[in-house]
Amino acid sequence: EAAVTQSPRSKVAVTGGKVTLSCHQTNNHDYMYWYRQDTGHGLRLIHYSYVADSTEKGDIPDGYKASRPSQENFSLILELASLSQTAVYFCASSQDRGREEVFFGKGTRLTVV
Amino acid sequence: AQKVTQTQTSISVMEKTTVTMDCVYETQDSSYFLFWYKQTASGEIVFLIRQDSYKKENATVGHYSLNFQKPKSSIGLIITATQIEDSAVYFCAMRESSGSWQLIFGSGTQLTVMP
Repeated sequence: EAAVTQSPRSKVAVTGGKVTLSCHQTNNHDYMYWYRQDTGHGLRLIHYSYVADSTEKGDIPDGYKASRPSQENFSLILELASLSQTAVYFCASSQDRGREEVFFGKGTRLTVV
Repeated sequence: AQKVTQTQTSISVMEKTTVTMDCVYETQDSSYFLFWYKQTASGEIVFLIRQDSYKKENATVGHYSLNFQKPKSSIGLIITATQIEDSAVYFCAMRESSGSWQLIFGSGTQLTVMP
């Protein structure tokens, strides 16, 4: 079974502070993603990566940075957390960029106060 | 641009009945993949079923099946013999095979199965 592990599972951050969300996958997948989910909405893509040491912007990259130091690890960084970034964040991975399913982590609930 | 629309915000059905959830999509690509995911009450997102745009036959997995109507850009999810544990939010998603290969999600449909 493919596995995507996120840490922490929940976090309370202070406005203006730095937040790092971590993701680790044991699927040997090349493609990794960070999605954001707001209450009552679908998922929106923040950043993605298809190879180590390279990241790409998704639909809503403003205010976020990403880092892919290895195939297994993908981090999402909020340099200056803001109230509007309160949401649930999902990391995911996939074998390819086409028909193969995307496997999701269990999510990180981030509350910025 | 890609777009996925789920107009049904919530649906309630009785246990053991059949339910259909609607989804329409927009794409300029001639080849694409359509997915349905389920998000449980715990927040976990699980893949359910996929339809490849070039396949005419509707996909079926267990008690999940799809109603793929390509001319209408529609991909409905059908759940037969619903169970209480099917209560969840169901997301339709699409990925193009060329150009942008992002997985684009609809806004989801909350399904409640009542005993």
